[in-house]
Amino acid sequence: QPVLTQPTSLSASPGASARLTCTLRSGINLGGYRIFWYQQKPESPPRYLLDFYSDSNKRQGSGVPSRFSGSKDASSNAGILVISGLQSDDEADYYCLIWHSSGAVFGGGTKLTVL
Amino acid sequence: EVQLVESGGGLIQPGGSLRLSCAASGFTVSEHYMNWVRQAPGKGLEWVSVIYGGGTTDYADSVKGRFTISRDNSQSTVYLQMNSLRPEDTAVYYCARESSTRAFDSWGQGTLVTVSS
Repeated sequence: QPVLTQPTSLSASPGASARLTCTLRSGINLGGYRIFWYQQKPESPPRYLLDFYSDSNKRQGSGVPSRFSGSKDASSNAGILVISGLQSDDEADYYCLIWHSSGAVFGGGTKLTVL
Repeated sequence: EVQLVESGGGLIQPGGSLRLSCAASGFTVSEHYMNWVRQAPGKGLEWVSVIYGGGTTDYADSVKGRFTISRDNSQSTVYLQMNSLRPEDTAVYYCARESSTRAFDSWGQGTLVTVSS
């Protein structure tokens, strides 16, 4: 079982909200990790969006709009990225990451389609 | 302005060696942890290696013993020496700077490494 699991794809309509999940493997306690989120568009390097540890300990990437927000869901042991007011420009691949005992670990990525 | 520029990629035969460079500007390399991240064609991101401020290093299991990360503070350059290359090492290799919270807050454009006979 991978350390981080992300849905392969997600579709949402312009103006709606998209909720992307990043589920930690059973036995890895979400509470002890900062979850990082990256956006990648075709033929471009990834872009740092934000990271979330707790409501009082989180950071937004430089120039990243506030409609991108992070959180955690303890009940599902998952990090959450919510993108509100979806725009066509948000169509991209989204990756989560944690720093684990074995180094940095990326999730497999979610392809977000805005249609 | 922070800038990272990778170079050194190319076509190499299995078993061969290659050294990638990441030229940094706009900040002091020695004051940041620096990483290499790779992406195989059509695949997701994979962390490769980190060099910490004091020079300590760490590697993904998939490259441990074959790759070596280093840094030349005087040249503001980070390197990735890749030996015993395998076809599965084929990827775009990105250089990434870490922030104080360990986010990869700046990335280069990447350099393509193709391992094939």
